[in-house]
Amino acid sequence: ETGVTQSPTHLIKTRGQQVTLRCSSQSGHNTVSWYQQALGQGPQFIFQYYREEENGRGNFPPRFSGLQFPNYSSELNVNALELDDSALYLCASSLDRVLGETQYFGPGTRLLVL
Amino acid sequence: DAKTTQPTSMDCAEGRAANLPCNHSTISGNEYVYWYRQIHSQGPQYIIHGLKNNETNEMASLIITEDRKSSTLILPHATLRDTAVYYCIVGRVGNEKLTFGTGTRLTIIP
Repeated sequence: ETGVTQSPTHLIKTRGQQVTLRCSSQSGHNTVSWYQQALGQGPQFIFQYYREEENGRGNFPPRFSGLQFPNYSSELNVNALELDDSALYLCASSLDRVLGETQYFGPGTRLLVL
Repeated sequence: DAKTTQPTSMDCAEGRAANLPCNHSTISGNEYVYWYRQIHSQGPQYIIHGLKNNETNEMASLIITEDRKSSTLILPHATLRDTAVYYCIVGRVGNEKLTFGTGTRLTIIP
């Protein structure tokens, strides 16, 4: 158990819809990162939030957006869903934003877009 | 970040040491080697990381060659619960992201 939780565990949406995924970080961890993992692939970095500000972004379009709240929770929002957005979405919390700090991953939310 | 090369899959007998190699020939002087693993249907789990010295913790040992172009993760007494995909990641401290490859699928055989 990493102390990082995500909800929901599974979700089915249709193309064009919007989705919000939620993550609850370990208490005291002021950094949260989001990753997308397609079937058979390693996780791909979407973005990171540090003290409620975006602190780095991977190669994902602006329809992927996020929020981080003072209570160590965060959201990943995806607009205009596409079929290729079907994946496991992982959040990871860490004590600080630098790579040297261990990242603790949640169990993920599996999204299916039809 | 430097790229890594790992075998696609490996088997290891239960109770034996599992040695997982990783090649990172383009690693820079300020880049660390990290290992994570992902058990089926779970999020990745941190195992160990190091810069140039060998490292050991309660889960594993990390052996980094003197030229730092390759490393080996050692699970000293593999159990069935060690069956997972193991990712070797190279990254610079101060960088915000982990860059995962496709990893090595390790299967522990009873």
